[in-house]
Amino acid sequence: EAGVVQSPRYKIIEKKQPVAFWCNPISGHNTLYWYRQNLGQGPELLIRYENEEAVDDSQLPKDRFSAERLKGVDSTLKIQPAELGDSAVYLCASSSTINSPLHFGNGTRLTVT
Amino acid sequence: QKEVEQNSGPLSVPEGAIASLNCTYSDRGSQSFFWYRQYSGKSPELIMFIYSNGDKEDGRFTAQLNKASQYVSLLIRDSQPSDSATYLCAVNSNSGYALNFGKGTSLLVTP
Repeated sequence: EAGVVQSPRYKIIEKKQPVAFWCNPISGHNTLYWYRQNLGQGPELLIRYENEEAVDDSQLPKDRFSAERLKGVDSTLKIQPAELGDSAVYLCASSSTINSPLHFGNGTRLTVT
Repeated sequence: QKEVEQNSGPLSVPEGAIASLNCTYSDRGSQSFFWYRQYSGKSPELIMFIYSNGDKEDGRFTAQLNKASQYVSLLIRDSQPSDSATYLCAVNSNSGYALNFGKGTSLLVTP
């Protein structure tokens, strides 16, 4: 079974620039998550999708962050414009149901200079 | 904000000893409990999950859950240097909510 695939693995951008992250979940997993993890902290949920519907985006900074999951499979997370404080690892995860274990991708390490 | 609390460590144990990692949570309605291991620079990987009070064993790992005390722990028997990592406790408060993670406990197993 292929795991959760994320790209890119690393991204370095200057502040105020846009950036986008892509995620392909495990086949058949209807629930997709975007988490952000700062150094020394646990992952923090940004948004959760059930199929193509965003069912929990209360922690997503909507002034600069956006996400989509067209057709209920792949997902894209975008930041525009990026700020220095956005430097973190962005993790995508998927699960078969909301109560099932999460499987994480390798993450995208974002550095904003 | 529903809290998941872990001691950040580092917890240092000698090779072959038992490592005990602890986690408390604030939401009494929590139903699902997970332990993830995260090596430096890597993403979290699932170690164990537990849904019912009591112990659940898988190889060298044992998860213990006490819902009355709002406490979940992970025991690692015969600790190996390769077990050195950060261990994240995650709690699913109610059906319909995503996992809430603790900050993690850093474990160091010394040869």
